[in-house]
Amino acid sequence: EVQLVESGGGLVQPGGSLRLSCAASGFTFSSYSMNWVRQAPGKGLGWVSFISSSSNTIYYADSVKGRFTISRDNAKNSLYLQMNNLRAEDTAVYYCAKSRGSWGFDSWGQGTLVTVSS
Amino acid sequence: QSALTQPPSASGSPGQSVTISCTGTSSDIGDYNYVSWYQQHPGKAPKLMIYEVNKRPSGVPNRFSGSKSGNTASLTVSGLQAEDEADYYCSSYAGSALVFGGGTKMTVL
Repeated sequence: EVQLVESGGGLVQPGGSLRLSCAASGFTFSSYSMNWVRQAPGKGLGWVSFISSSSNTIYYADSVKGRFTISRDNAKNSLYLQMNNLRAEDTAVYYCAKSRGSWGFDSWGQGTLVTVSS
Repeated sequence: QSALTQPPSASGSPGQSVTISCTGTSSDIGDYNYVSWYQQHPGKAPKLMIYEVNKRPSGVPNRFSGSKSGNTASLTVSGLQAEDEADYYCSSYAGSALVFGGGTKMTVL
């Protein structure tokens, strides 16, 4: 059974940093591209970032470019999101999501809440 | 990276068919066959219902179907059931990025 478990969320002040992690199991992590998707409270889904299976290709949403960094460690079956210079509008539940190879995300974690507030 | 346009709400009675539209541009839906649809129940993670415009992952009932014409994609739910009441989101690859729709709240009357 595929499992994705996010961690690292919490309360941070504007301008601060946070590192999210996603632990994967139940599939060959190194063979699949991964993504981060966020959802502000009461709002819709927003794609954040993509990383290919070998980390060769990385994409970011314009809203986080230059502030967030996606990475992965295939030896540890883990996905990461380093978030710097956080803003109030980054407040959201952050999900890691597994790509099925065609920009459809067939497995999602339970999400971790990031709150940016003073 | 502009969001795709979905109607905020849709509704139908049990057994009826309901179609949700998702309008994009020639740079996303119109240019790629990478349209997906997700179902999200309150407090839960999204679930993939349709990928590559009209393909269903295993386990998704065949009551759910997808299509695309030009810059607009559609999700049709046939034989509506109570458990279909949820939020539905479309997404499309847009060349080095992914865009989501704003979501449609489906109500089963």
